[in-house]
Amino acid sequence: AQSVSQHNHHVILSEAASLELGCNYSYGGTVNLFWYVQYPGQHLQLLLKYFSGDPLVKGIKGFEAEFIKSKFSFNLRKPSVQWSDTAEYFCAVNEIDNDMRFGAGTRLTVKP
Amino acid sequence: NAGVTQTPKFQVLKTGQSMTLQCAQDMNHEYMSWYRQDPGMGLRLIHYSVGAGITDQGEVPNGYNVSRSTTEDFPLRLLSAAPSQTSVYFCASSSPGQGRTEAFFGQGTRLTVV
Repeated sequence: AQSVSQHNHHVILSEAASLELGCNYSYGGTVNLFWYVQYPGQHLQLLLKYFSGDPLVKGIKGFEAEFIKSKFSFNLRKPSVQWSDTAEYFCAVNEIDNDMRFGAGTRLTVKP
Repeated sequence: NAGVTQTPKFQVLKTGQSMTLQCAQDMNHEYMSWYRQDPGMGLRLIHYSVGAGITDQGEVPNGYNVSRSTTEDFPLRLLSAAPSQTSVYFCASSSPGQGRTEAFFGQGTRLTVV
């Protein structure tokens, strides 16, 4: 079955630490890839997206993600996290013109 | 710039009651969908619609009905609420256009069924 896997359920970091959140998917065809962020009490907001081209995608707030097709992965990275990055992060995948499926989410807690 | 608007934001229901969660978008998006968000399970697709008059089931459709009479509105109906439907519900819209979909989300409805 098609699925999206996020390996880390809860990550706790200190400010200025580097972040990498894993995301793997099992779709076989051409896909669009997304990372969304949900700050406490708010709705989901798009961080970044990959449709085609350069596999290293830069998003808002200093986040980036790298699409590695051979590994079916789309990991999210940030060199130096801030307290304000505390949120839940969702990886999402959709095949062309199909509905979007989400991973279970990774809760990030950044300690000041 | 309203985007996707959901009402109500909070709702408490008794088991067996019915209600409709409203969703409206003003971006002329063809594609609309409903998700539920539960701890540790991410967002799961309930129902979706690719255009007015067309709806289809997602991953977890049981207990929910939808209709799409206009492009703008996509209400979600719970005919007989159950405690298992306690969740946060998000409506989303997008305009596929050559497959380049980016979903825009509403603020969510927190539903408690007692």
